[in-house]
Amino acid sequence: GAVVSQHPSRVICKSGTSVKIECRSLDFQATTMFWYRQFPKQSLMLMATSNEGSKATYEQGVEKDKFLINHASLTLSTLTVTSAHPEDSSFYICSARDTLAGADNEQFFGPGTRLTVL
Amino acid sequence: LAKTTQPISMDSYEGQEVNITCSHNNIATNDYITWYQQFPSQGPRFIIQGYKTKVTNEVASLFIPADRKSSTLSLPRVSLSDTAVYYCLVGALHSNYQLIWGAGTKLIIKP
Repeated sequence: GAVVSQHPSRVICKSGTSVKIECRSLDFQATTMFWYRQFPKQSLMLMATSNEGSKATYEQGVEKDKFLINHASLTLSTLTVTSAHPEDSSFYICSARDTLAGADNEQFFGPGTRLTVL
Repeated sequence: LAKTTQPISMDSYEGQEVNITCSHNNIATNDYITWYQQFPSQGPRFIIQGYKTKVTNEVASLFIPADRKSSTLSLPRVSLSDTAVYYCLVGALHSNYQLIWGAGTKLIIKP
């Protein structure tokens, strides 16, 4: 089956630093990847849609200059949280669509990255 | 934009059939209905997807009435390992990528 990985799985950083999270589709090509944020005991919130070779589309209320997204290849998208603050502490999850063989509307999720900003 | 409503929590016992209903009164023509399962500190896992009527796979069934304003996920003969949060997702990846997640239903299976 389609596998999506994320790295790192857990990261702790100091306030003011930047953190990069990688999302990879391991056995399929993903033209589109999605980035979500999930706070404790809450649902997933779509942050942005990452399109290979073009600029990401951000959801309303998500600062594009703070959450930098790069989708340079068909198997890799990165999310960089710039100048992180404690309120950015959350569980970040990516998902990807199989460009060639995936069922319509199906997205495959990564295992998530737990970010803690001190 | 479709909004979904699910029960916040449900309890059941091992071996029972569990039905979780999701309301989505404003579902659009191009929207699919997808259910995911999520364990703590893990990414969601796809369970089942449908557009109308009934869909069945090896783990669940999905019932969608003709008006598509609701859907019911049916889990047959649950076990303790089915304890998780179940999300109802309505949207179409081809259409402005509007993927609206319900609040989720925390399902607790008891021995």
